[in-house]
Amino acid sequence: DVKVTQSSRYLVKRTGEKVFLECVQDMDHENMFWYRQDPGLGLRLIYFSYDVKMKEKGDIPEGYSVSREKKERFSLILESASTNQTSMYLCASSLGAGPVVDTQYFGPGTRLTVL
Amino acid sequence: AQTVTQSQPEMSVQEAETVTLSCTYDTSESNYYLFWYKQPPSRQMILVIRQEAYKQQNATENRFSVNFQKAAKSFSLKISDSQLGDTAMYFCAPFGNEKLTFGTGTRLTIIP
Repeated sequence: DVKVTQSSRYLVKRTGEKVFLECVQDMDHENMFWYRQDPGLGLRLIYFSYDVKMKEKGDIPEGYSVSREKKERFSLILESASTNQTSMYLCASSLGAGPVVDTQYFGPGTRLTVL
Repeated sequence: AQTVTQSQPEMSVQEAETVTLSCTYDTSESNYYLFWYKQPPSRQMILVIRQEAYKQQNATENRFSVNFQKAAKSFSLKISDSQLGDTAMYFCAPFGNEKLTFGTGTRLTIIP
């Protein structure tokens, strides 16, 4: 079974802090994704990566950056956390390289609260 | 840009009944894929079913089936013989423009 893990289930940070959310997948998937989930808005794509060292902006990249130094690890970075970034963050991965239509496998999510 | 509409924010049905969740979308692509994902309470999002737009036959996975109407851009999910474990948020997600676009979700509760 594919396993996608995220470093924390719950996280509380202060406004202005630099925040790292880590995601690791163990199935040698090429593609990785970061979403945020808010009530009434569904899931919105922040960033994605189809290859190590490659990253693309999603629909709402403002205030975020990502890092993918290794194939299995995709990190989401909040350079200076703000209260409007309080949300549930979901990481996902899928098998193929490029925009192929494989099933995405999701991690358990990190509920981030910015005070 | 793709848009996705799930017009039923919440639904509830009795156990063993059949329920249909609606989804409409808008896309400019001619060949695309559509997905239904399920997020149980406090658990991970998982795939329920997928449909290739070029296939006329509706996808089926055990108790889950879709009614895909390409011309109407409608992609509804039918759950037969509903079970307590079907209680979850359900998201419709067409794939196009190199990414999934998720609807706002339907919260389904199965009543014992």
